[in-house]
Amino acid sequence: DAGITQSPRHKVTETGTPVTLRCHQTENHRYMYWYRQDPGHGLRLIHYSYGVKDTDKGEVSDGYSVSRSKTEDFLLTLESATSSQTSVYFCAISEGADSSYEQYFGPGTRLTVT
Amino acid sequence: GNSVTQMEGPVTLSEEAFLTINCTYTATGYPSLFWYVQYPGEGLQLLLKATKADDKGSNKGFEATYRKETTSFHLEKGSVQVSDSAVYFCALSDRGGYQKVTFGTGTKLQVIP
Repeated sequence: DAGITQSPRHKVTETGTPVTLRCHQTENHRYMYWYRQDPGHGLRLIHYSYGVKDTDKGEVSDGYSVSRSKTEDFLLTLESATSSQTSVYFCAISEGADSSYEQYFGPGTRLTVT
Repeated sequence: GNSVTQMEGPVTLSEEAFLTINCTYTATGYPSLFWYVQYPGEGLQLLLKATKADDKGSNKGFEATYRKETTSFHLEKGSVQVSDSAVYFCALSDRGGYQKVTFGTGTKLQVIP
């Protein structure tokens, strides 16, 4: 258990509203990631963080921003939600050694944009 | 760039049948390879991994061998159970900066009694 929680677990919001999803970890991991999961696409990386205030874009970052002001929290914000952002969002951390890094996932947030 | 291709699902098997889920990859260098499993309503869990050529990862009766010559990492299990019903993801990590992982699209397995 990598001690990862996500909140909220479910959310329904309207098009055009801002939404923030939170990922919290308790084990001081340096690397954190946000993915979205959609049928037929597997998991796609939205943004990642390699330290406090250090973040970068993944392959599907348009419409999303992130912040990491503390090691334990990684926030994903949809500035103005659209129906195409209806998805399941997963947070992950990375740990490992000898260049073999495994990712561990939170339970996910199911977001519906109406 | 890196990519992972795995067989389309769903795969439907009877209990105690033999399972193979094919996975091939494209990567520069020598990636680490993983299989993850996702049960309904949950996040992904690491099932097994292999870090170099000819390594065999194994866990809970599942096995996969890192085949560099065929760039493959097929998942196998000799006798599946109903409780194995889940979505299985093949993935790789290229050991580069930021420890990023590339995932396949997932293969849904349904095991019927």
